[in-house]
Amino acid sequence: DAGVTQSPTHLIKTRGQQVTLRCSPKSGHDTVSWYQQALGQGPQFIFQYYEEEERQRGNFPDRFSGHQFPNYSSELNVNALLLGDSALYLCASIFRGALNEQFFGPGTRLTVL
Amino acid sequence: GEDVEQSLFLSVREGDSSVINCTYTDSSSTYLYWYKQEPGAGLQLLTYIFSNMDMKQDQRLTVLLNKKDKHLSLRIADTQTGDSAIYFCAESLPYNNNDMRFGAGTRLTVKP
Repeated sequence: DAGVTQSPTHLIKTRGQQVTLRCSPKSGHDTVSWYQQALGQGPQFIFQYYEEEERQRGNFPDRFSGHQFPNYSSELNVNALLLGDSALYLCASIFRGALNEQFFGPGTRLTVL
Repeated sequence: GEDVEQSLFLSVREGDSSVINCTYTDSSSTYLYWYKQEPGAGLQLLTYIFSNMDMKQDQRLTVLLNKKDKHLSLRIADTQTGDSAIYFCAESLPYNNNDMRFGAGTRLTVKP
C-alpha cells in the first residue's frame, strides 16, 4: 500500500514562471490538503480539496490554485512565481476529513531564482 | 498570541527524557497534535490529544495538556539517537477543522 507520493522531488524556477506540483493520496483517502513550509518554519495551510472542489483555503493569494481529479490525486499550481515562494510544498491526505488520520507526503522542494 | 510557539532547540543525552513544550493560540482548539520531521522527509504524526483530555500516553510518548494556560508538552522517555528530528506542535481550529496551525518546530538533538 503506497503512502502519499509527490512529484517532482525538487524543482528550480525563475521569477514570473508558473509551476505545477502533483500529489497522489494514500490509498482509500479522498481528501487532499496542501501546505507550504518555508525554511525554518512550520507548515502553513494553503487549501484542501474534497470531491474535486476546494473546500477550505488558508491565507494565500489567488496565484495559488489547485485541482483534484476523480481518482483523488491533486495538483497545486502557482503562477507568477516570487522569490518568497521558495519552500517545501507538502501534500497531506485524509480520509473524510479526519485530521487525526492525516498523512503527509515527502514534499516538493521548490526554489525560485 | 497569534502564533503557536515552541522553543527552537533542545539537546539531551541518549537515555534521558526529553520534554518539548508548546503554547497554542486558541483555547477552543479541538485537537492538538505532535508531528516529527526527519531531514528531507515529510511530517509523521506521532500522537494527538483531544481537547477534553489532559494526558495521553503512548509507549515512550506522554502528552500533557493544560487548557487553562494553552500549554501542550511532549515527553519522550528513554530518548534514542533515532529520535533526533524536528518536532512540530499543531492545533486544529474550532471554526475550521480543515485548517491546522503549526509551530515553527523544535529541533531535538540526542547525543550518544
